[in-house]
Amino acid sequence: AQRVTQPEKLLSVFKGAPVELKCNYSYSGSPELFWYVQYSRQRLQLLLRHISRESIKGFTADLNKGETSFHLKKPFAQEEDSAMYYCALSRNNNDMRFGAGTRLTVKP
Amino acid sequence: EPEVTQTPSHQVTQMGQEVILRCVPISNHLYFYWYRQILGQKVEFLVSFYNNEISEKSEIFDDQFSVERPDGSNFTLKIRSTKLEDSAMYFCASSTTGLPGYTFGSGTRLTVV
Repeated sequence: AQRVTQPEKLLSVFKGAPVELKCNYSYSGSPELFWYVQYSRQRLQLLLRHISRESIKGFTADLNKGETSFHLKKPFAQEEDSAMYYCALSRNNNDMRFGAGTRLTVKP
Repeated sequence: EPEVTQTPSHQVTQMGQEVILRCVPISNHLYFYWYRQILGQKVEFLVSFYNNEISEKSEIFDDQFSVERPDGSNFTLKIRSTKLEDSAMYFCASSTTGLPGYTFGSGTRLTVV
């Protein structure tokens, strides 16, 4: 079975501090992993996908198959980064399983 | 940038009534999905749809739920007899073959009273 775990429901950091949002997964095959962001009262937006190895809004995420993790990182958090962040796993294009989400608050 | 459009943005219905939530996916997308998010909880997969049939559904998607693509543009989710616990945000999403990662709509907030 595929499962996505985000151990922190809430994460609070000060502006300019580094931030890491944790995501662990369990899946027997080759997963495709994503991070989605949901700003207040807005739709879910794709932030990152592991296959493209890109950096969006200063965020990066590296797939660590040994640790089955896909943590989201940003070296210097900004207030506008405050949002819900969801890690998601897709085993094909048929369905995507989301983690419970982490609410990030960046304080001034 | 193309968007997935959902209507209405908010719907209030009485328990036991039928509701239809509407979605217009991105025009060249082939895979369609419904997800829901109960307030304060995580986003949950309901159903995926491809080639005019359901390709996968979760345990949440019971006989009260159905999906349809009645024409070339709309993708609907019907709840036959709503229950209080159906109150949630319902998100439609679409994707195109070979490109992982969905485009989500802005959601319909369903309130069952």
